[in-house]
Amino acid sequence: EAGVAQSPRYKIIEKRQSVAFWCNPISGHATLYWYQQILGQGPKLLIQFQNNGVVDDSQLPKDRFSAERLKGVDSTLKIQPAKLEDSAVYLCASSTGTGGHYGYTFGSGTRLTVV
Amino acid sequence: AQSVTQLDSQVPVFEEAPVELRCNYSSSVSVYLFWYVQYPNQGLQLLLKYLSGSTLVKGINGFEAEFNKSQTSFHLRKPSVHISDTAEYFCAVRPDTGRRALTFGSGTRLQVQP
Repeated sequence: EAGVAQSPRYKIIEKRQSVAFWCNPISGHATLYWYQQILGQGPKLLIQFQNNGVVDDSQLPKDRFSAERLKGVDSTLKIQPAKLEDSAVYLCASSTGTGGHYGYTFGSGTRLTVV
Repeated sequence: AQSVTQLDSQVPVFEEAPVELRCNYSSSVSVYLFWYVQYPNQGLQLLLKYLSGSTLVKGINGFEAEFNKSQTSFHLRKPSVHISDTAEYFCAVRPDTGRRALTFGSGTRLQVQP
């Protein structure tokens, strides 16, 4: 079974620039999550999709972050404009249904450095 | 809302010694509990999970954890660690109903020394 694919693996941008990350979940997984992991901290949920609808985006800084999941499969997370404090690893995860019984599968993440 | 506390940010231990990584949680509802491991520059890998039933849960790589509802704890243990166990370990919880995401602790860095 293929895992959760993310690209790019690394990205360096200057502050105020824009950046986009892509995630392809495991085939058939209805739920997709984007997490932000700042160095030395645990992952923090940014947004959760169920198919192509948003379940929870309460912690997404909507003035600069946006995300979409077209056709209920791939997802894109965008930051515009980026700030220094956005430097982090952005993890995508997917799960079947509600995820409790079947667990969550994480991608390798995109490491963003804002300079 | 849920919260997870991992009191130890770093745990140094010698190879072949036992180790315990502590996790306490807070929640007003029943929860599922998870432990994940993260190797450098990699994503999170599930070690084990507690959903219901026996409070002692066995996972991969010889790890086990015990759920203690009265103490709201889910400590991770391994009787004999290897150099290859050096990694970051995260405890996570989520409510046992509804479409909820995981809430993670801040992580514990396990450093196994020869």
